[in-house]
Amino acid sequence: GAVVSQHPSWVICKSGTSVKIECRSLDFQATTMFWYRQFPKQSLMLMATSNEGSKATYEQGVEKDKFLINHASLTLSTLTVTSAHPEDSSFYICSAGPGTIGTDTQYFGPGTRLTVL
Amino acid sequence: AQSVTQLDSHVSVSEGTPVLLRCNYSSSYSPSLFWYVQHPNKGLQLLLKYTSAATLVKGINGFEAEFKKSETSFHLTKPSAHMSDAAEYFCVVIRNSGNTPLVFGKGTRLSVIA
Repeated sequence: GAVVSQHPSWVICKSGTSVKIECRSLDFQATTMFWYRQFPKQSLMLMATSNEGSKATYEQGVEKDKFLINHASLTLSTLTVTSAHPEDSSFYICSAGPGTIGTDTQYFGPGTRLTVL
Repeated sequence: AQSVTQLDSHVSVSEGTPVLLRCNYSSSYSPSLFWYVQHPNKGLQLLLKYTSAATLVKGINGFEAEFKKSETSFHLTKPSAHMSDAAEYFCVVIRNSGNTPLVFGKGTRLSVIA
């Protein structure tokens, strides 16, 4: 099956700093990628839809200026958590699909665990 | 809007006994439904998916699920639980058709007792 990678797998940072998380589709091109957040013992919540070559679409309640998304190529989307605070500590997961017409299977990255001190 | 409800937050079974994880869905049209599993500190793995073909869907590791439109259900089953099945299971529906985001249920934690 298709493979999606994320980097880093975990990161610890000080409050007020910015952290960039990369999501790559390794063996297919993805015009659309999705970013989810998972708090401990909770389900995944969609944060935003990342669109190659255009602005991301954010879900209600997600601050676009705090969570910057850049989808500069067909295989890479980045999520930057700006001025991170302890409440941003979470598990961030991306997904992507080949986008073939009629195909709706998403492949998930392994996730990035962010801890803000 | 599409949504799923997982009826149990925690299910505990003995090793070798059947597993039943319940999920009901709400959709304005024929949905695409999925079950994903998440082991501790690991990524999400697709168990199986339903996309309007056969109503009984077989997945990996001996799991299967049956789509029942009359009951708006998509329960996950396995005849005999293994210790390695202990994990968090998510019932998922796709928001729209095609390459669109997924809507996750709250999850069911499966414990397997030796």
